[in-house]
Amino acid sequence: DTAVSQTPKYLVTQMGNDKSIKCEQNLGHDTMYWYKQDSKKFLKIMFSYNNKELIINETVPNRFSPKSPDKAHLNLHINSLELGDSAVYFCASSQDAGARQPQHFGDGTRLSIL
Amino acid sequence: TQLLEQSPQFLSIQEGENLTVYCNSSSVFSSLQWYRQEPGEGPVLLVTVVTGGEVKKLKRLTFQFGDARKDSSLHITAAQPGDTGLYLCAGLINSGYALNFGKGTSLLVTP
Repeated sequence: DTAVSQTPKYLVTQMGNDKSIKCEQNLGHDTMYWYKQDSKKFLKIMFSYNNKELIINETVPNRFSPKSPDKAHLNLHINSLELGDSAVYFCASSQDAGARQPQHFGDGTRLSIL
Repeated sequence: TQLLEQSPQFLSIQEGENLTVYCNSSSVFSSLQWYRQEPGEGPVLLVTVVTGGEVKKLKRLTFQFGDARKDSSLHITAAQPGDTGLYLCAGLINSGYALNFGKGTSLLVTP
């Protein structure tokens, strides 16, 4: 069974549209994350949730709205998509937010804006 | 602000060669993690180093944490094509709630 699963794997859409990416983890972890990886492979934190509560929002435009209905799910909704939103978005989870906890990543969602 | 600097950015070597990847920062980290990412997949944790001066080995991979906990290195002995991938170092930021990643070292090992 996949530990952290994201859907869809590929998302191609036009500028101005609204889209959502779903993430689920079956590891029983308390903390979940969204990262953005740009075309140069730089991986940057966007959001972090601990027990369904937002604990990190790293200067992400408010067009991006994460939602955590329960500890196992962290979805990402993006309004009014822009060309610069094209990237690979990774969901991850960890047992808790501790320094030594490994983060488990999904396989990413490649978002392409036309 | 980029807290973690990795070098080299790209590395192309032949099977059997040795290599070292560096991860440097002006900040002190309570721990550093190393991940490997293969095309089309998410990063996978290789190791976490915690104590200054610590050395950890994972088969042909040797990880070292600097004495001052500001830098780390990854040494691969007798590289194999299966080692090809993007190697990322990461440390915690914001009171320990999220990882700050370096920009990665893209390694290509050819037979």
